[in-house]
Amino acid sequence: LAKTTQPISMDSYEGQEVNITCSHNNIATNDYITWYQQFPSQGPRFIIQGYKTKVTNEVASLFIPADRKSSTLSLPRVSLSDTAVYYCLVDFSGYSTLTFGKGTMLLVSP
Amino acid sequence: DTAVSQTPKYLVTQMGNDKSIKCEQNLGHDTMYWYKQDSKKFLKIMFSYNNKELIINETVPNRFSPKSPDKAHLNLHINSLELGDSAVYFCASSQQQGAGGTIYFGEGSWLTVV
Repeated sequence: LAKTTQPISMDSYEGQEVNITCSHNNIATNDYITWYQQFPSQGPRFIIQGYKTKVTNEVASLFIPADRKSSTLSLPRVSLSDTAVYYCLVDFSGYSTLTFGKGTMLLVSP
Repeated sequence: DTAVSQTPKYLVTQMGNDKSIKCEQNLGHDTMYWYKQDSKKFLKIMFSYNNKELIINETVPNRFSPKSPDKAHLNLHINSLELGDSAVYFCASSQQQGAGGTIYFGEGSWLTVV
């Protein structure tokens, strides 16, 4: 079963740039890569989505190498409020792979 | 206006009871989902409906039965509740399934079975 792999946790300080990498070796041609953020006691919310190369929005950037077997979510100048769990979701071909996995717990300290 | 709303937010019940969680989305989306997030924080899909038709039915006990009266609603009914059913259940929706459809989640329903 295709899946994604992310670090379980990361620590950072306010003002730093944080890069979270997700591995998705079995990604298929039609699949997109989407990142979600989840705060405690809330549902996940969309951050950014991409297919290849680089995508940037007001919140984050997403870097995808040519082989698309991994992706990196980049959060510039994090603040305390960025402390959350970040999930990488690859829309694998085949419906049964909409499982988010454990995500990466990012802790931002003062 | 909440895009995806689910009720109740908290539910404490005894083993063996039957309970339902309701979900409604006002985004006009065609696809709705139920996810389960357990204590280990895995967020697993349980069901997916597209235009009221069941699309995904993961390995879920048949005590769990989704019902979609229309494409804006997807309710989850659970029979004979067990301790292991304690988890957070998220309803979600998207305009499309696959091909980059963004999933919008509700706030979650915290189910505790005692």
